[in-house]
Amino acid sequence: ETGVTQTPRHLVMGMTNKKSLKCEQHLGHNAMYWYKQSAKKPLELMFVYSLEERVENNSVPSRFSPECPNSSHLFLHLHTLQPEDSALYLCASSQEGSGGTEAFFGQGTRLTVV
Amino acid sequence: SQQGEEDPQALSIQEGENATMNCSYKTSINNLQWYRQNSGRGLVHLILIRSNEREKHSGRLRVTLDTSKKSSSLLITASRAADTASYFCATDGRVDMRFGAGTRLTVKP
Repeated sequence: ETGVTQTPRHLVMGMTNKKSLKCEQHLGHNAMYWYKQSAKKPLELMFVYSLEERVENNSVPSRFSPECPNSSHLFLHLHTLQPEDSALYLCASSQEGSGGTEAFFGQGTRLTVV
Repeated sequence: SQQGEEDPQALSIQEGENATMNCSYKTSINNLQWYRQNSGRGLVHLILIRSNEREKHSGRLRVTLDTSKKSSSLLITASRAADTASYFCATDGRVDMRFGAGTRLTVKP
């Protein structure tokens, strides 16, 4: 248990569905991240929130929409996804400004788009 | 912030042997971190080495950092079957952290 909880653990959705991934951290961290991990590819940093403000968006398609309502919660809203969006989606949190940015990861959501 | 690139992509050794993985990066860093990932799970932080450090130990792990060569190595001594996992290095920017594709380590019993 890392203190970062992701739900659901597995999700199968059709291309016309709308779903949301949820991430919650109980570590008091001030930064949260979404990563996408596809087979045999580097982890792709998708979004970064620091102090609840989005500070990075790496040209992610608009069918992915993040939301950070407070410092403990992070969502990734999904709509009209493509099969190539199937991947493991990882949430992480860290405490910025402490001189070291060890990240704590959730277990991930395995997403399959059919 | 530049991502690290791990080498080799895959490594297979016998239990008890040492495993060495390398990481290269392209720009100046504040620190470099190594993470481990069991199949299909989240990443777990192993060790952080700061740019002014050259070597760091944690249990069976030994990390070196050569900022002149922009490279780092992770040595796992006396490997165990339970060390089978993917290992990633991450270079540390401001609030973002970028990872390479990882080294897949298999330790055979």
